[in-house]
Amino acid sequence: QSALTQPASVTGSPGQSITISCTGTSSDVGGYNYVSWYQQKNPGKAPKLMIYEVSNRPSGVSDRFSGSKSGNTASLTISGLRAEDEADYYCSSYTSSSLFVFGTGTKVTVL
Amino acid sequence: QVQLVESGGGVVQPGRSLRLSCAASGFTFSNFAMHWVRQAPGKGLEWLAVISLYGDRKHYAYSVEGRVAISRDNSENTLDLQMNSLETDDTAVYYCAREGPGSAWSMFDHWGQGTLISVSS
Repeated sequence: QSALTQPASVTGSPGQSITISCTGTSSDVGGYNYVSWYQQKNPGKAPKLMIYEVSNRPSGVSDRFSGSKSGNTASLTISGLRAEDEADYYCSSYTSSSLFVFGTGTKVTVL
Repeated sequence: QVQLVESGGGVVQPGRSLRLSCAASGFTFSNFAMHWVRQAPGKGLEWLAVISLYGDRKHYAYSVEGRVAISRDNSENTLDLQMNSLETDDTAVYYCAREGPGSAWSMFDHWGQGTLISVSS
């Protein structure tokens, strides 16, 4: 049950678009459309669901956030980057063992 | 609104046990599967366990299987996590999280604020 692989950090300027990847295997990301993404503003603070089931946005989440998947890799794109988007982002996937696995986490920095 | 409030954290010696609780309100608790997730200091999120609507299905992360037990009381709207043989690596903030609506297990749509367990001699 290895963690999904995410880049440690992604940096962008206000207004730009950035994409965070989340790479797993055919037993998790590639095998199910049950990938979700979470934003955590501060470690130790409750994460917030941003995307569920690959590409769906919960009510109240900005449409600047979008998700997609190709094969064993899922992606989160933030368009029109804003200072308030600076946070840690984690992906998660359901797995073939009826378990869940999180990604390693990506720190997004807005210049 | 949905509210999840964890309790039971604290400082505990290695080898001892601890029971965490999560009080749920603002939704029909028995309609949702529930999870426990933890985050060690400076580290990422780690999923620990899930329990089905009525507690008949439980699944655990390999890293804690055999040492933890998840349970729920739908009459009291509470979720518990019994942790045994605690190790220093168990030091973390522990979150309870609600599964999304529907029969599939696919997301954590609401989270509590977490409770800290510190395992130290």
